[in-house]
Amino acid sequence: QVQLRESGPGLVKPSETLSLTCTVSGDSITNYDYYWGWIRQPPGKGLEWIGSLFYTGSSYYNPSLRSRVSMSVDTSKNQFSLTLTSLTAADTAVYFCARQIFRMIPGRGVVPTYFDSWGQGTLFSVSS
Amino acid sequence: DIQMTQSPSTLSASVGDRVTITCRASQSISTWLAWYQQKPGKAPNLLIHKASSLESAVPSRFRGSGSGTEFTLTISNLQPDDVGTYFCQHYNTYSLTFGGGTKVEIK
Repeated sequence: QVQLRESGPGLVKPSETLSLTCTVSGDSITNYDYYWGWIRQPPGKGLEWIGSLFYTGSSYYNPSLRSRVSMSVDTSKNQFSLTLTSLTAADTAVYFCARQIFRMIPGRGVVPTYFDSWGQGTLFSVSS
Repeated sequence: DIQMTQSPSTLSASVGDRVTITCRASQSISTWLAWYQQKPGKAPNLLIHKASSLESAVPSRFRGSGSGTEFTLTISNLQPDDVGTYFCQHYNTYSLTFGGGTKVEIK
């Protein structure tokens, strides 16, 4: 049974950078069957996909966040990470990491799909 | 980007009722759609993928249907444990989007 756990600072100042880490247990992050993703949920609101990463480094990002987002993987620690720059109050949310199934698109290769296992989420606030 | 619109935003029904949640895509997504249930303070839980494929351990009273641009999630014989917010998510392209959610309450 895979388990995912998010970790990172609970509070960051506006204009600064957020770094979050997801630690995976019960599965290897180099398992070629899966992508690994980040999703966020502002308080009382809906879900927003942030981005998805394959262990090889192949990644996809939400176009609305692409200029501020990067993701990386640390196979030695079985972790993957999210970096979000130029923070504003609108980035305040619960951040979830999750495992994703992939599918093949002809001419594109493997792409992320739905999320089959989620971390519990971590609340992150942007405030001065 | 493909937009996903859910309706209603909230519904209240009695135990034992059959409830239906609709999710509409702004363009055809074939059957590349998933449904999740989220209970307060918890992470979402995957119920259905590929529009109608039920995840193991999900009760059979949950049923997904649809293709193209219109999809439904039906809960037959609503139970108190079904209270929560339900989200659809498309994966037709590699830019993923969720619906706005439908909150299900018990009368």
